[in-house]
Amino acid sequence: ETGVTQSPTHLIKTRGQQVTLRCSSQSGHNTVSWYQQALGQGPQFIFQYYREEENGRGNFPPRFSGLQFPNYSSELNVNALELDDSALYLCASSLDGLRTSGANVLTFGAGSRLTVL
Amino acid sequence: GEDVEQSLFLSVREGDSSVINCTYTDSSSTYLYWYKQEPGAGLQLLTYIFSNMDMKQDQRLTVLLNKKDKHLSLRIADTQTGDSAIYFCAERFSGGYNKLIFGAGTRLAVHP
Repeated sequence: ETGVTQSPTHLIKTRGQQVTLRCSSQSGHNTVSWYQQALGQGPQFIFQYYREEENGRGNFPPRFSGLQFPNYSSELNVNALELDDSALYLCASSLDGLRTSGANVLTFGAGSRLTVL
Repeated sequence: GEDVEQSLFLSVREGDSSVINCTYTDSSSTYLYWYKQEPGAGLQLLTYIFSNMDMKQDQRLTVLLNKKDKHLSLRIADTQTGDSAIYFCAERFSGGYNKLIFGAGTRLAVHP
């Protein structure tokens, strides 16, 4: 059973640029969530994708967008990068994003560390 | 509102027990989780507890839940240097999707 894989592991961008981060979910999981973890902070929920649609969003502006593909992999896109976007971006997959019973554990990838200069 | 609070730092001697505390705000949360993060790594699930339980034990880990006070703790018995990491408490969002609300993390330092 493969876990959650993310790419790239590190990248550097400048203000105003755009970035795309990628995530492959764990085998058997159909839901992907993205989290932003700033230095010294806990992860903050960006959004969740289930069946290729966004079905939950945190307090992030529209320049944060995503996609989910038929194979359940996902992309996070950030436009017009700002210095405060520098963070570790974590992808997590789960068995069923709409299920409210059961622990529905999130499995996290190792993250993509974005530095905006 | 959504808020999970943790103390930021804990230092223990190798072999002692560690207790990491957490408070949360959403009394409707059904599940509460503990994750571990080592330097440069993602989050590793340690354990979770359902809200109708008071305690859960898993090898060296013991989770205690006081639902009345919205207080959660993680006890690590016989703490080892390999336990040095940041520990995150998280509550499950009570809305219709699988969102976790994390605390800022407690950095555990284990010294000989």
